[in-house]
Formats: sequence, structure tokens, C-alpha cells
Amino acid sequence: DIQMTQSPSTLSASVGDRVTITCRASQTINIWLAWYQLKPGKAPKLLIYEASSLESGVPSRFSGSGSGTDFTLTISSLQPDDFATYYCQQYHDYSTFGQGTKVEIK
Amino acid sequence: EVQLVESGGSLIQPGGSLRLSCAASGFSVSSNYMNWVRQAPGKGLEWVSVIYSGDDTYYADSVKGRFTISRDSSRNTLYLQMSSLRADDTAVYYCARDPTYGDPWGHFDLWGRGTLVTVSS
Repeated sequence: DIQMTQSPSTLSASVGDRVTITCRASQTINIWLAWYQLKPGKAPKLLIYEASSLESGVPSRFSGSGSGTDFTLTISSLQPDDFATYYCQQYHDYSTFGQGTKVEIK
Repeated sequence: EVQLVESGGSLIQPGGSLRLSCAASGFSVSSNYMNWVRQAPGKGLEWVSVIYSGDDTYYADSVKGRFTISRDSSRNTLYLQMSSLRADDTAVYYCARDPTYGDPWGHFDLWGRGTLVTVSS
């Protein structure tokens, strides 16, 4: 099984901050990685797929990078609507998620 | 409007059975790869099952032999039949669409809001 290690588990930041979340796969997954945003009571939202492709309708302040085993989600300027929990997902072999990163207000 | 709406979650005793439904609108569940993903209270996301081309299926080891995924094209609905339920099956269950084709594994571009299953005596 491919394990996904996401860090940090919690991140305290202010509006306007640049935020970076990392995800490491236990074996190479090429570019088969997605990032999601979760808010309580809402449907999860796809942000990034194939490691760096921005989903239609997602603000350009979100970006993804990486390949192989190491990946990054960056929010260039944190907005009030961005306080949420973020998950990475590998889909190279089966599908597994990271443990999540909660972005909270500093 | 393109959307997924889950239903069927409830409080159920250990060992019991439950069927979850996921009604789709704006697209066909039979023409897409469809998944179930769950989130236990205070925990992260866990992939549960996929139904893809030719109605082939895969399951997570944690539910294999107990859960069955299926779909009904006439109702445009995805199902998850759950049996021999355990306390650790307690979770919000989401259905999700994979817009890709080929491998059964992909990203999920459309999700529902989820339905809560609580397994407790």
C-alpha cells in the first residue's frame, strides 16, 4: 500500500500569508496526486489534480508542484475563505489520502 | 445542475446492514467511474470503493467482503450496501465522481455533502 504523509497537521496563518503544505508518498507516484479542500457540512472541493493542474473555477492563488514522491500545495495569499482542512490524495495505485492539514486563523 | 446527493445514513447496531444511496443529476453515473469515500469522526479521508468500466469494482481491505458498490442507470443512482457493520465503520460517507477513464484510479472532481452512518448499540 502507498502511504501518504502530509505536513504540518495544523498551520496557523493570517490573511495575506503565503502558505505551503507538503505531502510525501512512500513510493513514487509520478504525478498522480490531487489536493482537496474540506469544510464542515460542505462537499469536498477538488483544487489540484495531476500534481499541478488547477481545477476549473479554482482561484489562481492555489498552486501545486512536485513529482515522484514529494509534493507541495501553495496558497500564495491566504484569503478568509481558505481557512479549511486540506488533503492530498494519491491515485497511482488504489487511492489513499494524507492525514490532512488544518489551516486556522493565527 | 451537476450534483451528487447522498442519503440513507442512520444509527445502526453492530452487525447490522444498511444501504446508502447517491443520486446524481446533470450527468450519468453509468458513464463515469464512481467512488465512495468516508471520514470517521475526527479522522482523515479513507477511500472505500470504486465502480468503473463494465461495472468492475474494487474495495478497500477494511470493507472487502462486507460492502458492495453498485449503480442503477434507470435511477441514475450509486449505492453502497453495507453489512456486518462495526463500530469503526462509523463515518460520514461521501460519493465522488472520477472524470478520468482507463485505470480505475483517479482524482475526484465532484463530491456530495455526505451522509452519516453511526454504528453503535
